[in-house]
Amino acid sequence: EAQVTQNPRYLITVTGKKLTVTCSQNMNHEYMSWYRQDPGLGLRQIYYSMNVEVTDKGDVPEGYKVSRKEKRNFPLILESPSPNQTSLYFCASSPIATVDNSPLHFGNGTRLTVT
Amino acid sequence: AQSVSQHNHHVILSEAASLELGCNYSYGGTVNLFWYVQYPGQHLQLLLKYFSGDPLVKGIKGFEAEFIKSKFSFNLRKPSVQWSDTAEYFCAVLYNNNDMRFGAGTRLTVKP
Repeated sequence: EAQVTQNPRYLITVTGKKLTVTCSQNMNHEYMSWYRQDPGLGLRQIYYSMNVEVTDKGDVPEGYKVSRKEKRNFPLILESPSPNQTSLYFCASSPIATVDNSPLHFGNGTRLTVT
Repeated sequence: AQSVSQHNHHVILSEAASLELGCNYSYGGTVNLFWYVQYPGQHLQLLLKYFSGDPLVKGIKGFEAEFIKSKFSFNLRKPSVQWSDTAEYFCAVLYNNNDMRFGAGTRLTVKP
């Protein structure tokens, strides 16, 4: 089954404790991205990647890192989480962002709470 | 910076009422337009999309949207809503094939 898999689904952590949220897709998509969803703000893009070893900042990259060493994986890293990073995070992928007919496929989300 | 505006934060309708959700976007070159739906506790799913051609696009579950270029709008419509349409709806715009922007979302509650 074609899907985008995020782990974990729920995570509660403390300020400053490094964490990684994994994202994996099995559709051989070039494009992957991370969003955070906050009430009243919709989805805001954190980072995106057009292909392996190519990553770019989105709207709200501060406090986050990503890597794209393999095509299928795009982990989101919070080196020193802070309470303002408490949010719902979505990973998404598409065949390629520059080609027509390529909607995003979303993962099921990761709800992160930083205390 | 490009932006997408959804005017209604929360819409409450009774079953069988007609729906129209507004979406406007800022100018920014080539655009592709989308509506996504998020049912409670689920991830976003594509409802419909517009890339070119007929500005009136039809999506799943009886939804449709009209692209009006002169107004920078892409409003979502459904003639008769059902209780199962209760969800959050997001308008999204892909600018210049690489910059995806989402609106803040509109929560739709349909009363049975």
